[in-house]
Amino acid sequence: EVQLVESGGGLVKPGGSLRLSCAASGFTFSSYSMNWVRQAPGKGLEWVSSINSNSRYIYYADSVKGRFTISRDNAKNSLYLQMNTLRAVDTAVYYCAKEVTANPRRYGMDVWGQGTTVTVSS
Amino acid sequence: QSALTQPASVSGSPGQSITISCTGTSSDVGGYNFVSWYQQHPGKAPKLIIYEGTNRPSGVSNRFSGSKSGDTASLTISGLQAEDEADYYCSSYTSTTTLVVFGEGTKLTVL
Repeated sequence: EVQLVESGGGLVKPGGSLRLSCAASGFTFSSYSMNWVRQAPGKGLEWVSSINSNSRYIYYADSVKGRFTISRDNAKNSLYLQMNTLRAVDTAVYYCAKEVTANPRRYGMDVWGQGTTVTVSS
Repeated sequence: QSALTQPASVSGSPGQSITISCTGTSSDVGGYNFVSWYQQHPGKAPKLIIYEGTNRPSGVSNRFSGSKSGDTASLTISGLQAEDEADYYCSSYTSTTTLVVFGEGTKLTVL
């Protein structure tokens, strides 16, 4: 079964840091680009970051650029999001999501994790 | 990068068809065939229902279809069913400083 499982969320104070992880199984993780998408309480989806299969191409939303770092370990079938200088507006459910096709990309996300909740509050 | 524009809500009766629009610019929706649509039920993760404008992933009902005209993409759901009641989001590749932009979301109510 194709599956993504996020972990690492929690309560953190403004200015703090958190590292999210996403464990992948059931597919050839090393062949696919991966994404982080977040959803603030009661709000819509917001794309956060993307990394291609070999980590050569990395992209960020303007709202997190310079504060968040995406990375992956293909040997461990894992995706990560290091979040620094967290703000209240970063409070959200964070999903990792798999690209629908390997190459070339089609910019659709066909497998999503259950999400991990990040709350930034003093 | 501004979010793509979607109507806040649409509604329809069982068996009817509805269409949800998603308006962007020539830097995203209008310039590329990389529009995706997602369905999200309350408390659940999003589900991909259309990618590359018109393609349905395996297992997605053929009641869902996508199209595009100019800078506006559309999702049509035919033969509305109660289980279609959910939030729907479009997304697109964008050639701006980011990579992907989502729509604001549309709440579908099945009357």
